[in-house]
Amino acid sequence: QSALAQPASVSGSPGQSITISCTGTNSDVGAYNFVSWFQQYPGKAPKLMIFDVSVRPSGVSNRFSGSKSGNTASLTISGLQAEDEADYFCSSYTGSDTLLFGGGTKLTVL
Amino acid sequence: QRQLVESGGGVVQPGRSLRLSCAASGFTLSSTGVHWVRQAPGKGLQFVAGMDYAGGTKTYYAEFAKGRITISRDASKNMVYLEMNSLRVEDTALYYCATDAKFFSFDLWGQGTVVTVSS
Repeated sequence: QSALAQPASVSGSPGQSITISCTGTNSDVGAYNFVSWFQQYPGKAPKLMIFDVSVRPSGVSNRFSGSKSGNTASLTISGLQAEDEADYFCSSYTGSDTLLFGGGTKLTVL
Repeated sequence: QRQLVESGGGVVQPGRSLRLSCAASGFTLSSTGVHWVRQAPGKGLQFVAGMDYAGGTKTYYAEFAKGRITISRDASKNMVYLEMNSLRVEDTALYYCATDAKFFSFDLWGQGTVVTVSS
């Protein structure tokens, strides 16, 4: 199974909004609302930012939001801050009783 | 404070076996789903295997893991294990243990244990 498709990199200036896409198929992203987003700093473990497409865990800034349309899920970060610079990964449950991750997107805050 | 600590990684020759352990503190592992996710050097995250939450016995495996990797849980020790057989060079990675209170939402991660497969 191929990884979910994410852009390799995105960038934005402080205060701006950016969106990271995560494209799968009608067997994973399009079929289930079990899409999560993770933030990872270099040398650190991933951190859950969004689950079930659009739910924010307690303690995650409301600047982070998730959505889904068809086979594509999206993570939007509004009011970009320097601390948001990190790698972001999406994941989705699949119809084969497994989980797929996206290839990851490096966010650069200019 | 809820915490996960992985152990058991190391350098192993191709074809050999290795068992990774994940120890929980501050909570009971049998009350959540538990999963293993790996990350090869400089690469992205890759799901390896998982067990259902609430003490369930349902397991999940990545295609590459089926028949070669087994996840198990010892509730009495509050531990989860990942038994890996016929190891390949491409299994070289940092292996994370993660829990999900909600289906496949990995809300707690350990710091990982490094597995290097090399001759």
